Amino acid sequence: DAKTTQPTSMDCAEGRAANLPCNHSTISGNEYVYWYRQIHSQGPQYIIHGLKNNETNEMASLIITEDRKSSTLILPHATLRDTAVYYCIVSANFGNEKLTFGTGTRLTIIP
Amino acid sequence: GAVVSQHPSWVICKSGTSVKIECRSLDFQATTMFWYRQFPKQSLMLMATSNEGSKATYEQGVEKDKFLINHASLTLSTLTVTSAHPEDSSFYICSARDGSGIGSEQFFGPGTRLTVL
Repeated sequence: DAKTTQPTSMDCAEGRAANLPCNHSTISGNEYVYWYRQIHSQGPQYIIHGLKNNETNEMASLIITEDRKSSTLILPHATLRDTAVYYCIVSANFGNEKLTFGTGTRLTIIP
Repeated sequence: GAVVSQHPSWVICKSGTSVKIECRSLDFQATTMFWYRQFPKQSLMLMATSNEGSKATYEQGVEKDKFLINHASLTLSTLTVTSAHPEDSSFYICSARDGSGIGSEQFFGPGTRLTVL
């Protein structure tokens, strides 16, 4: 799996959009970009994933650059409950393909 | 999204005993489940890939005789920590993929906190 690089930590004011960047310059053509988050002492929670096109769901938006070497996860209106560690992972995503977690970004939402 | 459960959510045991952790996919069938371990302030580390009806595939450095994995059905995988010692104390998390097709996402259980005294 390709390696990802994320900032160690970020702060965001409550109610504002949180933009979390991720670099994956060695991503292969068949690898998807996944985002998960982990709230303290819980299992990771799936947020969103994409291959080439931008994606949006009820939780977030995923913007992937045209060359696919980086992406940004956007939480449109951050709340205190969004405080967590956010992991960006790339994976070929076949049925039994494993996910390799990096160190992630610790996002703190400030009241 | 799909739901993955784990049991127990926490367990405390004496050194030398064995502990079994269950991972269930509640509303889907999972031919593949994964087991992770997470130490305090660290990221998740994959221990093994559990395949229904076949032997698990262990990551480098993980002792297969110490961490026994059984994936007897499409909805249940178990991890048994044999002869547990204090250094095995950790947060154990399982995950399962909903479907085997390309583009399917992986869902995680809530984790099991193991403390070995």
